[in-house]
Amino acid sequence: DAGVTQSPTHLIKTRGQQVTLRCSPISGHKSVSWYQQVLGQGPQFIFQYYEKEERGRGNFPDRFSARQFPNYSSELNVNALLLGDSALYLCASSPRTYEQYFGPGTRLTVT
Amino acid sequence: GENVEQHPSTLSVQEGDSAVIKCTYSDSASNYFPWYKQELGKRPQLIIDIRSNVGEKKDQRIAVTLNKTAKHFSLHITETQPEDSAVYFCAAVSSNDYKLSFGAGTTVTVRA
Repeated sequence: DAGVTQSPTHLIKTRGQQVTLRCSPISGHKSVSWYQQVLGQGPQFIFQYYEKEERGRGNFPDRFSARQFPNYSSELNVNALLLGDSALYLCASSPRTYEQYFGPGTRLTVT
Repeated sequence: GENVEQHPSTLSVQEGDSAVIKCTYSDSASNYFPWYKQELGKRPQLIIDIRSNVGEKKDQRIAVTLNKTAKHFSLHITETQPEDSAVYFCAAVSSNDYKLSFGAGTTVTVRA
């Protein structure tokens, strides 16, 4: 039974560049959420999608965007990268409203 | 929005002793409270959760209690083992938005 998968595992980008992160949820899960985890802190909510519709958005600038595809996979896009965007980006999938299961994350480093 | 506070930030216990982590939340609409364990370099792993219509839940050596009136919930780990060493996060989910609001985390070290 495959868990949540994310790609790539690690990524190094330069300030001002754009990045796309990908997530595949657990089979049968229709909800995907994205979180940013800065070293030493708890994850911060960015977006939640359910049945391909955005259901929630956290306090992140418009440089962050996301979408969910018909197969329930999801992409997170970040434009005009800043040094402060360096973090672990976690995707979580949910079968229903509440329980969320995390993927291994994408470690983004902005130089 | 929801604000979750977690204490203590670090906790060191002797192997075999108990560990207790406490969290408070602010949004009275929150009705689901999961706990995650995160080992170094790994994903947060859901270890136990509790809904607002339940006061206590137990799963082997871990238990969670919820006091809705006081808006606080706690994680209890009994008979701690070295493999329990990790960062533990509490979280709350509001029925208004379904997002996880996390506490700042507790680093638990179990001394052999």
